[in-house]
Amino acid sequence: GAGVSQSPRYKVTKRGQDVALRCDPISGHVSLYWYRQALGQGPEFLTYFNYEAQQDKSGLPNDRFSAERPEGSISTLTIQRTEQRDSAMYRCASSLALAGGGNEQFFGPGTRLTVL
Amino acid sequence: AQSVTQLGSHVSVSEGALVLLRCNYSSSVPPYLFWYVQYPNQGLQLLLKYTSAATLVKGINGFEAEFKKSETSFHLTKPSAHMSDAAEYFCAVSLNAGNMLTFGGGTRLMVKP
Repeated sequence: GAGVSQSPRYKVTKRGQDVALRCDPISGHVSLYWYRQALGQGPEFLTYFNYEAQQDKSGLPNDRFSAERPEGSISTLTIQRTEQRDSAMYRCASSLALAGGGNEQFFGPGTRLTVL
Repeated sequence: AQSVTQLGSHVSVSEGALVLLRCNYSSSVPPYLFWYVQYPNQGLQLLLKYTSAATLVKGINGFEAEFKKSETSFHLTKPSAHMSDAAEYFCAVSLNAGNMLTFGGGTRLMVKP
C-alpha cells in the first residue's frame, strides 16, 4: 500500500510569504507527527496529533508556525511570514496506534523548504 | 528530558568490515530506542527498535543493536558492510507519553570498495 506522502517535495519562497506543507499519512494511521530537519542535523519534533486533536505543539518554534488535521487524516503545517531561518526539510510521520508504547513511526520523503 | 548523542558524524569502513555506529542516550525513565536509516531523497526507514524486551535487538539488512542500561548505550552493529549500506543513520529515543522521537545528530556511513 501507499506510504506517507508529502507535498510539495520542494518549495522555494520569498521571505515574508506564507507556505502550507501537506502530509497524507498511511490510511488508518491514528497518530501523525511533524519534524523539522536542518542540514547536517537530526530531525526535531514540532507537533503531533491523535486523530484530529493536536496533543502537543511544544516543538513549534514560534507563533508563525501552526498545524491542523481537521478530519483526522491529512495534515497541513503552515508557516506564516517565512524567514530565511525557516529553511529546512520538513518531515511528516504517522503511526498506526495511539502515541505511546514505542510504536513505529513511518516517515514521508519530506518537503525541502528554501526561503530566499 | 531526554537526549541522544551519536559519536562520529562520519564513519568510513571497507566493504566486508565490521560496522559500529555509536549511540548514547539520557532519559529519566526507561526509554524506547530506535535506529533509522535515511537513503538519499527518501524518508527515514526503521532498522530496529528496543522496547524493553530482549536487550539484543535484530533488525533488517543484518543490523543489530544491544541495549546496555549501565552504559546508557544502544550501539548499532553489522558484521560485514555492503556497499548498499552507505547512508545516514539516526538513533532516536522516546518516552511512553506522546511517543515523539528525539533524534541524535546522525552518522553518515561510507563504505569503501
